[in-house]
Amino acid sequence: EDQVTQSPEALRLQEGESSSLNCSYTVSGLRGLFWYRQDPGKGPEFLFTLYSAGEEKEKERLKATLTKKESFLHITAPKPEDSATYLCAVQAADSGGSNYKLTFGKGTLLTVNP
Amino acid sequence: ETGVTQTPRHLVMGMTNKKSLKCEQHLGHNAMYWYKQSAKKPLELMFVYSLEERVENNSVPSRFSPECPNSSHLFLHLHTLQPEDSALYLCASSQVRTYSDTQYFGPGTRLTVL
Repeated sequence: EDQVTQSPEALRLQEGESSSLNCSYTVSGLRGLFWYRQDPGKGPEFLFTLYSAGEEKEKERLKATLTKKESFLHITAPKPEDSATYLCAVQAADSGGSNYKLTFGKGTLLTVNP
Repeated sequence: ETGVTQTPRHLVMGMTNKKSLKCEQHLGHNAMYWYKQSAKKPLELMFVYSLEERVENNSVPSRFSPECPNSSHLFLHLHTLQPEDSALYLCASSQVRTYSDTQYFGPGTRLTVL
């Protein structure tokens, strides 16, 4: 069974204080790993897709990296508007041909104080 | 309208009511999804429609009934719900390919069952 564990559950940072969020996963064969941002009461907003170990993607203050067992979301010099819940999800290779199922972690609630 | 839209955004219903949630995607995708998001739990996949055919039902109770009349519209019909069904219901869409695809989410419907 595919599993995704995110840590920490909650993280408080001061504005400008860089840090990283962790996503550990267990999957039979990774087809893709996704990061989303979710604001309270809203739907998840897509950030990145990573496909293979060693891959990195960046967007503004965010950088996502991937190894064979985990992914990190690095936040450089965060601002209060980066406060949100960050969700990680994996899509497994399925011998039956289905490539749609995402397994999500519980998320990391990030709060950035001014 | 752009992206994925959902109506209503908020819904309060009694246990004996019948209501429907609506989702529309403006992305030209060929797969649509219903997810349930409860507090402190990962997103749970409820239903998937790919090319307008339901391809997975994750053991969801029969009081939830999906309908997908075409590739742009998805409904979730609700009847005789329980208080534990109160949650954020999210719709998503994607373009199903042979490799990993990205799911884009709507803003969600906050459902409260009294």
